[in-house]
Amino acid sequence: TQLLEQSPQFLSIQEGENLTVYCNSSSVFSSLQWYRQEPGEGPVLLVTVVTGGEVKKLKRLTFQFGDARKDSSLHITAAQPGDTGLYLCAGARAAGNKLTFGGGTRVLVKP
Amino acid sequence: GAVVSQHPSRVICKSGTSVKIECRSLDFQATTMFWYRQFPKQSLMLMATSNEGSKATYEQGVEKDKFLINHASLTLSTLTVTSAHPEDSSFYICSARAWGGSQGETQYFGPGTRLLVL
Repeated sequence: TQLLEQSPQFLSIQEGENLTVYCNSSSVFSSLQWYRQEPGEGPVLLVTVVTGGEVKKLKRLTFQFGDARKDSSLHITAAQPGDTGLYLCAGARAAGNKLTFGGGTRVLVKP
Repeated sequence: GAVVSQHPSRVICKSGTSVKIECRSLDFQATTMFWYRQFPKQSLMLMATSNEGSKATYEQGVEKDKFLINHASLTLSTLTVTSAHPEDSSFYICSARAWGGSQGETQYFGPGTRLLVL
């Protein structure tokens, strides 16, 4: 059982549709990060959230950190083919701790 | 954002040989770096934590004599896969921890190294 559960595991949508990826845990995290990874490349950091209830926007991407700092979501509005990739959430239980990764959500946006 | 490089990006070697992978933080110093392994269509699996000037901390099930880690400076960590075998073929990714004020700590990842052992 993973400490961080991501859902869904795979998502296939048409260009222009919206999507949401969830990252859930029974544990509290001091910070949580979202990454996007494309095949054959390393993960690229999208955002770091540290405050419960925090909402951050990055163009068409909206990230939310749960009030209890146990869960997070990533919402993409009007998805584009360039949004295709593996989305990973990762959390640190405390400052200075190693990151725990979720299982990843593979997103495919069809033109 | 901070930049982390890895070298080589791709390596093919014969079974029984050793392969060294370098991880460098290019524009910041990192006392802590991490080494991950990733299998196709799966998430990242942490192998070890590399600490500058001290021994690496290995995750359960990872052989320290098989995967040698050296973190000799604040910008360089190396992973050596000793006596590589085909089952060691994988995508190896490093990351470096940076501290950024209100953001706290963040890990920045290298581009990965694809290892194929024949």
